Amino acid sequence: GAVVSQHPSWVICKSGTSVKIECRSLDFQATTMFWYRQFPKQSLMLMATSNEGSKATYEQGVEKDKFLINHASLTLSTLTVTSAHPEDSSFYICSAAGLAGGSSYNEQFFGPGTRLTVL
Amino acid sequence: KNEVEQSPQNLTAQEGEFITINCSYSVGISALHWLQQHPGGGIVSLFMLSSGKKKHGRLIATINIQEKHSSLHITASHPRDSAVYICAIRPQGNLIFGKGTKLSVKP
Repeated sequence: GAVVSQHPSWVICKSGTSVKIECRSLDFQATTMFWYRQFPKQSLMLMATSNEGSKATYEQGVEKDKFLINHASLTLSTLTVTSAHPEDSSFYICSAAGLAGGSSYNEQFFGPGTRLTVL
Repeated sequence: KNEVEQSPQNLTAQEGEFITINCSYSVGISALHWLQQHPGGGIVSLFMLSSGKKKHGRLIATINIQEKHSSLHITASHPRDSAVYICAIRPQGNLIFGKGTKLSVKP
């Protein structure tokens, strides 16, 4: 299947610093990328949806000034957690949707996730 | 009430057993996904269904649109099948995820 990578896979930072997470679709062009957050023993919660070259659409309750999303190309999206606080500690997962592997319909593929710990 | 309910929440099985995980939902959907989340957190898409049944290796997924219910079956389970299995529905647009079923297969 198609591959979506995330970098870094884990990060520990001090409170007040900013952290950038990269999401790349490695073998297909992602028309849409999704950013999810998952707290322990909870289901994935959608934070925002982004299309290449346009502003991200944020879900209710997600601060767009705190979670900056850039979808600069069809293979790269970044999520920057600005002025991170301990309550931002979570598992962040990106997902990319596009036509992959000769498929005739958009499929959604998930990245391996980034574990953020804010001290 | 959650739009997606999975059962059981936790499941422990002996190697070789036949396993069934259920998913019920309450809204009309265009598709239903079964995902596997490994202990490290990475997610793999197992199936996308809109009707009927799909099989891939030892995994079988079925869906009954009228009853708003789907099942994921694992035949001849193996310890490497231990993971969290997540049902996700697509009403229109974005996926809505269940809380997952944690499966542990003992040797």
